[in-house]
Amino acid sequence: NAGVMQNPRHLVRRRGQEARLRCSPMKGHSHVYWYRQLPEEGLKFMVYLQKENIIDESGMPKERFSAEFPKEGPSILRIQQVVRGDSAAYFCASSPAGVVGEAFFGQGTRLTVV
Amino acid sequence: GENVEQHPSTLSVQEGDSAVIKCTYSDSASNYFPWYKQELGKRPQLIIDIRSNVGEKKDQRIAVTLNKTAKHFSLHITETQPEDSAVYFCAARVYNTDKLIFGTGTRLQVFP
Repeated sequence: NAGVMQNPRHLVRRRGQEARLRCSPMKGHSHVYWYRQLPEEGLKFMVYLQKENIIDESGMPKERFSAEFPKEGPSILRIQQVVRGDSAAYFCASSPAGVVGEAFFGQGTRLTVV
Repeated sequence: GENVEQHPSTLSVQEGDSAVIKCTYSDSASNYFPWYKQELGKRPQLIIDIRSNVGEKKDQRIAVTLNKTAKHFSLHITETQPEDSAVYFCAARVYNTDKLIFGTGTRLQVFP
């Protein structure tokens, strides 16, 4: 049973480009969470999704950021028109339905905006 | 909103000594408190967790205590080893959601 898989591991984008981060949850997990970690800081909640449904996006910036978890395929975190301040590590976590809180993290995607 | 405070931000101990990291949370209805260990450049990994129906839980050299009245919970590592060096994060689950709110982390260094 592979763990939570994120790709790419490293992503470099120029200011104004789009960044797409992918997350495949652990087998059997139907809940996905995205967190952002700035250098030397903690994990900030961004969004919680189930298949085809956004449950809680209270941590998402109002503009340029969006997330989806389609019926088929990985969860996608999309950042449009990236700026330098978007540079961070973005972690995805997953948990099984009905087992609230026991989340397992992926390796993260380190986004660098140049 | 919900908040989790974590102290200290850095902690240095000699190998074999104990280390204690403390967290407080604001949501009195929170009922699940995990601890994660993150080594440099790696993913956060769950090391121990506690639910609000117990006051203490132990797993070998690691223990977690919970004081619901004071809204405090702590991580205790005994007989520390150099491989315990990492950043440790506490978290609290927001009641009636699946959202975890994390503390700001404690960088633990264990010197041989």
